[in-house]
Formats: sequence, structure tokens, C-alpha cells
Amino acid sequence: DIQMTQSPSSVSASVGDRVTITCRASQSISSYLNWYQQKPGKAPQLLIHAASSLQSGVPSRFSGSGSGTDFTLSISSLQPEDFATYFCQQSYITPRTFGQGTKLENK
Amino acid sequence: QVELQESGPGLVKPSETLSLTCTVSGGSISGYYWTWIRQPPGKGIEWIGYIYYSGGTNYNPSLKSRVTISVDTSKNQFSLILRSVTAADTAVYYCARDATRGGDFDYWGQGTLVTVSS
Repeated sequence: DIQMTQSPSSVSASVGDRVTITCRASQSISSYLNWYQQKPGKAPQLLIHAASSLQSGVPSRFSGSGSGTDFTLSISSLQPEDFATYFCQQSYITPRTFGQGTKLENK
Repeated sequence: QVELQESGPGLVKPSETLSLTCTVSGGSISGYYWTWIRQPPGKGIEWIGYIYYSGGTNYNPSLKSRVTISVDTSKNQFSLILRSVTAADTAVYYCARDATRGGDFDYWGQGTLVTVSS
């Protein structure tokens, strides 16, 4: 299985800050990397697919980059509704695997 | 707007069989892969497997011996069976649509908590 490792596991930030989360794959996955946001008690919501393509309806302050093994999710100016847990997921091969999550907390 | 809704028992006894159904509304089940995913409370996310609308399946090797996913296109539903459950199978179970453009999940059900306990 491809192992997905996110860093940091948690991060504290304030409204208006820029935040970057990193995801590393245990082998090359080309651009088959997706990002999700999950709020407590809710299902994950797709933010970014194919490493850098913004899902329809997702605010443009979210962006993704990377290819191969190293990827980043950036939020340009944090809004109150962005405090949540973020997961990366590879779709290069099955079994599909997810990172362990990064919890974004309000400082 | 596509919507997915999981249904099934919230409590299953150890060694018995977990059975869930996902009903798809607002769109056809045809043309897509349909996925089951689970998340133990407070833990990470695990992909269980998918089924294509025509019936082809792909399962996580870690669960393959105990899992069956099936589809009923006439009802716009797909289902999950997990046999011989243990406490380790306690989780929120989600059904989701694979967007098919690259294996991302663009629509999810709300999730249903299944507890394995006697």
C-alpha cells in the first residue's frame, strides 16, 4: 500500500493567516492526489483533485500543488469556517489511502 | 444535486455480519464507481472498496476476505456486507461517489455509526 504522511499533525493559526499543509507519498503518485476538509460530525468534503484542480464551489483561497511524492495544500487567508481537519488521499492505485489528517485550530 | 444516504443497523454483535445500503438520489448510479469508506471514532480514514455500476468490484486487501459490495441499479442503491465483525470494525461508515476522472470522491453520504458490541 502507498503510505501517505501529512505534516504537521496539528497547526494553530488565526483568521487572515496563510496556512500550508504538506502531504508526502511513500512512492511516486504523479498528480493523483486529492485534498478533503472534514468538520466534526460531518463527512469529508472534496477541496482539490488531481493535486491542483479546485473542486467546483470551493473558495479560491484554497490551492494545491505538487507532483510525484510531495504535495501541499495552502489556504491564503484563513476564514472562521476553515478551522477543521484536512486529509490528503492518493488515487494512483488501489487500495486508495489517506493521510492521518491535519487539525487546523484557532490560535 | 446528487445525494447519498446510508442505512442499516447501528449495532452489530461480534462475529456477526454488518450490512449497509446506500441510496443514491438526484442522479443515476450508472456510469460511476461507488465506494465504501470507514472512519473509526477519532481515527483516520480507510477505503473499503468500490463497485462499478455494471458490477465490477475492487476491495481493500486488508478486508477482502470479509467484504462483499453489490449494486442494484433498478433501485439506485449499492450495499456493503462485512462478515465476522469485531470491535475493530466499529466506525462511521460512509458511502461515496468516485468521480471517475481520477479516483477522488466528490459526493459523500452523511455517514452512519456502526458499533460492534454484544
